Amino acid sequence: RKEVEQDPGPFNVPEGATVAFNCTYSNSASQSFFWYRQDCRKEPKLLMSVYSSGNEDGRFTAQLNRASQYISLLIRDSKLSDSATYLCVVKHEAAGNKLTFGGGTRVLVKP
Amino acid sequence: DTEVTQTPKHLVMGMTNKKSLKCEQHMGHRAMYWYKQKAKKPPELMFVYSYEKLSINESVPSRFSPECPNSSLLNLHLHALQPEDSALYLCASSQGSGAIGEKLFFGSGTQLSVL
Repeated sequence: RKEVEQDPGPFNVPEGATVAFNCTYSNSASQSFFWYRQDCRKEPKLLMSVYSSGNEDGRFTAQLNRASQYISLLIRDSKLSDSATYLCVVKHEAAGNKLTFGGGTRVLVKP
Repeated sequence: DTEVTQTPKHLVMGMTNKKSLKCEQHMGHRAMYWYKQKAKKPPELMFVYSYEKLSINESVPSRFSPECPNSSLLNLHLHALQPEDSALYLCASSQGSGAIGEKLFFGSGTQLSVL
């Protein structure tokens, strides 16, 4: 089983719709969670950290479910510019500076 | 705009060439990273430098040789590469404390093609 798993997609989303997807992690000692966004042939960019109580940044909402060991990302009112690959990144305490990436979920927002 | 600068943006090299990738950051970060990313795959960690010392080498072949001349600079020296080494090479940095919630900041990468 991979340490961090994501549905690769693509999620085809009508413009203005809501889309949500999850990321599961296998190490229960994981403590830091992030969503990164990566556009084609560009570098990953931090979208948001994921906090235990859940957090929101504009149209983006991230949740953490420690009991079931997954994090989620919800995008409301999808824009064409939201089309990208969303990478889940996880770190556990013993890993020091090593972060583990999921395989990414591709989202395509269409008019 | 990224605060991690990588040069060159594109590189084409033959299997007998020696070349170097460069990375620079001025955020005062003390951890710097090299990642390799193939198309439609996530970044794969290669090396981590923490406080200018190599702290992680993910069993990378010796044809890749990292160097950290100072806390702001990170190089990756390439020699006798293979075509399968063609990929996007990403540099990243973080504060370096290893604390919970410490974030990675990526450079825009070097797209490397080995002929």
